Amino acid sequence: DTGVSQDPRHKITKRGQNVTFRCDPISEHNRLYWYRQTLGQGPEFLTYFQNEAQLEKSRLLSDRFSAERPKGSFSTLEIQRTEQGDSAMYLCASSRFGLGPTYNEQFFGPGTRLTVL
Amino acid sequence: AQSVTQLGSHVSVSEGALVLLRCNYSSSVPPYLFWYVQYPNQGLQLLLKYTSAATLVKGINGFEAEFKKSETSFHLTKPSAHMSDAAEYFCAVTLNQAGTALIFGKGTTLSVSS
Repeated sequence: DTGVSQDPRHKITKRGQNVTFRCDPISEHNRLYWYRQTLGQGPEFLTYFQNEAQLEKSRLLSDRFSAERPKGSFSTLEIQRTEQGDSAMYLCASSRFGLGPTYNEQFFGPGTRLTVL
Repeated sequence: AQSVTQLGSHVSVSEGALVLLRCNYSSSVPPYLFWYVQYPNQGLQLLLKYTSAATLVKGINGFEAEFKKSETSFHLTKPSAHMSDAAEYFCAVTLNQAGTALIFGKGTTLSVSS
């Protein structure tokens, strides 16, 4: 169990550029979540997948944001035409879906910190 | 809709003192509640969770929390603070056991002085 990994850890970009982040979940986990955390706030839910299906999207996920999990393993989050308001920490989490006390605990990665200049 | 409110954005204690971090929730259905800790430049780590079993929940690193339905609270406590407990703590709620989105509070930064 190597934990949830995210790449890159830091990204600095200019306003208007596109950026893509990658998340590799824990290998046996079938659910994958994306959250955004701005300074002084708790994480805010963006979207989640079960296997390759995107099951829920927050209204925070504007049409400039797109997430994929093509083979039900790693996921990518792309932001098009970045804005300064997109500057935040983007967190990925994964879990094993099921009923019972040992399921559904979300394990978080270290995050990707995005700075839009 | 579910929400959580963490009272006090910053709590300072002395080493060895009681730690009390407050969380109140709002939920139209019986909630599932969590406390996470975040150290600088790291992801969130689960401390403990309430999933409608015992109302007093014990977690890692000596932390515990008590679910009080009448007060809609899920406060986090630790009898004796260590320097290593200094971090940011988040309370979170979710709808059901099926593991949907977590809704987080704004967090409480715990400082521990020697």
